[in-house]
Amino acid sequence: DVKVTQSSRYLVKRTGEKVFLECVQDMDHENMFWYRQDPGLGLRLIYFSYDVKMKEKGDIPEGYSVSREKKERFSLILESASTNQTSMYLCASSSRGAGGGYEQYFGPGTRLTVT
Amino acid sequence: DAKTTQPPSMDCAEGRAANLPCNHSTISGNEYVYWYRQIHSQGPQYIIHGLKNNETNEMASLIITEDRKSSTLILPHATLRDTAVYYCIVSNNNNDMRFGAGTRLTVKP
Repeated sequence: DVKVTQSSRYLVKRTGEKVFLECVQDMDHENMFWYRQDPGLGLRLIYFSYDVKMKEKGDIPEGYSVSREKKERFSLILESASTNQTSMYLCASSSRGAGGGYEQYFGPGTRLTVT
Repeated sequence: DAKTTQPPSMDCAEGRAANLPCNHSTISGNEYVYWYRQIHSQGPQYIIHGLKNNETNEMASLIITEDRKSSTLILPHATLRDTAVYYCIVSNNNNDMRFGAGTRLTVKP
């Protein structure tokens, strides 16, 4: 089974702190993603990566950066946390399906609270 | 604009088949239909996807109409653990998975 793990399930940080969210996948997937999920807004894509050291902006990249130094690891960085970044953060990795298309596999999520 | 339309909620009796509909009348020829579900406080879980043909795996069956404008996800024997929000997504792009509001399925004993 594909396993995507995230470094923390719950995290509480103060405004202005630098926050690192780590994600590791064990299936040698090229593609990795960071989403945030908020009530009434669904999942929104922050950043994604198709390869090591490669990154692309999603729909809401402002206030975030990412790092992908190794294929299995994709980190999300909040340079200076703000209260509006309180959210559930979800990491995913994906592979191409046998019949085409892509299957995304998600981690359990990190619920970040910024106070 | 929303690419898919799903009912906001559905109920199903335990042990019965759950049939979750999805309308995607503007689907284009190279877009796949994906289904995911999210159990409370967990990350979304991939269920199944298809392009034109019906698909079946160990979790569910996906029935796509011939004109591809709608589809149905079938859970053949629903259990209480299938209670979740089910998302229908159409996409031709790995980085463009738009998770809408989905259908909240409640399986009742």
